[in-house]
Amino acid sequence: QSVLTQPPSASGTPGQRVTISCSGSSSNIGSNTVNWYQQLPGTAPKLLIYTNNQRPSGVPDRFSGSKSGTSASLAISGLQSGDEADYYCAAWDDSLNGWVFGGGTKLTVL
Amino acid sequence: QVQLVQSGAELKRPGASVKVSCKASGYTFTGHFIHWVRQAPGQGLEWMGWINPKSGRTNYAQNFQGRVTMTRDTSISTAYMDLSRLTSDDTAVFYCAKLDWGSVEVYWGQGTLVTVSS
Repeated sequence: QSVLTQPPSASGTPGQRVTISCSGSSSNIGSNTVNWYQQLPGTAPKLLIYTNNQRPSGVPDRFSGSKSGTSASLAISGLQSGDEADYYCAAWDDSLNGWVFGGGTKLTVL
Repeated sequence: QVQLVQSGAELKRPGASVKVSCKASGYTFTGHFIHWVRQAPGQGLEWMGWINPKSGRTNYAQNFQGRVTMTRDTSISTAYMDLSRLTSDDTAVFYCAKLDWGSVEVYWGQGTLVTVSS
């Protein structure tokens, strides 16, 4: 059971906008910023969003993040087939003094 | 450029131990924590703990306490994760990562597959 809660799956058609939610608590998302990772099969996670809404260089602006209270969300607009992947949210947890992750959301582009 | 290069795949018997290495380059090894993350087949990411390479201080996730030991050798910029009393539930890819909080400077190793089977 993951500390952060994400829907197990999400889907959309090419060009659509999809959002993935991530719910936590006061000791993690409520107190600290959120990262989002994209993981393609057989590869290590790739940083997609950091500090709630910042994109690393090279990440398209189709990807955006937001946070409110103890929840966060990742939005992907202009969906493309190459966006099919697993997406994970993560936050530092002050009680655990470590990172906590969501269970992951598998995105399917129909 | 920052790189974390991990040791190769391992096949272990139940009850055995495994030691995975993670060689860092491209940055000051003692300046940043190294974290270890487990990912079982088809499952999500599970944080295992961190080591401060400068002091050697560690913090382990409760699920792994008593079975995991994280160490480092600063002379060769390498971190190690030792997991004992392996069971089939430990069959997974283990990642080392530089997960600086609030920073874009996040890097992952390529992962090490550990298979536990009799």
